[in-house]
Amino acid sequence: ELKVEQNPLFLSMQEGKNYTIYCNYSTTSDRLYWYRQDPGKSLESLFVLLSNGAVKQEGRLMASLDTKARLSTLHITAAVHDLSATYFCAVDLSVTSGTYKYIFGTGTRLKVLA
Amino acid sequence: DAGVIQSPRHEVTEMGQEVTLRCKPISGHDYLFWYRQTMMRGLELLIYFNNNVPIDDSGMPEDRFSAKMPNASFSTLKIQPSEPRDSAVYFCASSLDRGVYEQYFGPGTRLTVT
Repeated sequence: ELKVEQNPLFLSMQEGKNYTIYCNYSTTSDRLYWYRQDPGKSLESLFVLLSNGAVKQEGRLMASLDTKARLSTLHITAAVHDLSATYFCAVDLSVTSGTYKYIFGTGTRLKVLA
Repeated sequence: DAGVIQSPRHEVTEMGQEVTLRCKPISGHDYLFWYRQTMMRGLELLIYFNNNVPIDDSGMPEDRFSAKMPNASFSTLKIQPSEPRDSAVYFCASSLDRGVYEQYFGPGTRLTVT
């Protein structure tokens, strides 16, 4: 059974601290996406990772992809309150299944405390 | 561009009634997706279209659900008859191409079936 697991599921951290969210998946894929969702809102695309070793950075967030380990990370540097949201990774099954589907992770609910 | 447009934004209906959700994808996007989000099951892909043709409907929960895309700028998701367990947020998303560009999500329709 295909699984996309994120950990932690909940993360409460102080402003100014660093932390990493992990996304593990159980199938072959070289494409992974990170999204942000604010409470009651839609999903906003953060990063598109299209190959092994891909690294993308935007502000205090940096995402990476290791397709051999089937692992993606979202690293938060010097967290600020505005980063409080739920973060999802999504694995693209196009390569292995021939069908253009994302499987979303469980989500990580991040709360940054002032 | 206005982004993906969904209507209605909120829908409250009684069990047994028909519900129709609407979506207008971003102009020029070839792919359209319908997702459902609940606390218990997270984000689930229901169905997706490519060039107005349904490609994968394996996520459609049962025969009560149906989706159509009569043209490149409009899609509907219909539930008939609706049940309380259908209560969820339904998102429509569109994408320019498979495996290269991310999916862009609409604001969602919050459905409550009483």
